[in-house]
Amino acid sequence: EPEVTQTPSHQVTQMGQEVILRCVPISNHLYFYWYRQILGQKVEFLVSFYNNEISEKSEIFDDQFSVERPDGSNFTLKIRSTKLEDSAMYFCASSEQERGFDEQFFGPGTRLTVL
Amino acid sequence: AQSVAQPEDQVNVAEGNPLTVKCTYSVSGNPYLFWYVQYPNRGLQFLLKYITGDNLVKGSYGFEAEFNKSQTSFHLKKPSALVSDSALYFCAVRERGGADGLTFGKGTHLIIQP
Repeated sequence: EPEVTQTPSHQVTQMGQEVILRCVPISNHLYFYWYRQILGQKVEFLVSFYNNEISEKSEIFDDQFSVERPDGSNFTLKIRSTKLEDSAMYFCASSEQERGFDEQFFGPGTRLTVL
Repeated sequence: AQSVAQPEDQVNVAEGNPLTVKCTYSVSGNPYLFWYVQYPNRGLQFLLKYITGDNLVKGSYGFEAEFNKSQTSFHLKKPSALVSDSALYFCAVRERGGADGLTFGKGTHLIIQP
């Protein structure tokens, strides 16, 4: 069964550094998403991406964050100048279509630890 | 703004007994509702969804959920629990015609005791 994959599984970085989290969505999916989950809190939507541009972003997704689809398979989340409060589990997801009721398929997540 | 409440942090059920994991939601309009399950070190796996029509939705692994519009609830159920059902369960909502992102509840740990 096709899966969303994410690398690395755990990233440790120093405050102020830039990190890039990588995702490979399911191959025939067209819509991509990033979510995050701070320890002990809810999973929160960050951004959706379609046709090589951001479709929608939450208030969390400020100028510190950016997304890119650098090639035909990868989808990345870049976090510039990381802060302690960026420590969280980051989930990538993809869906085949975007009709509101289409289920999103999630990857296993990348645990980001900012020291 | 939309929101989801999962009132129980943990639910304990004996194997073979029926289980219910509760979820209530709040949206301005009509909802699409989802249940996801997360096993350790795995991503969120889709279980089932409510779109429209029949209020009882059947999903993977014998799970079902009942949509109740008047109570704004979407409780997850299973007639006979298995130890392997032990996991973290998330309820999520999207408003029809609304934002792309799912709004999740905080999750409920389901523990099935042998």
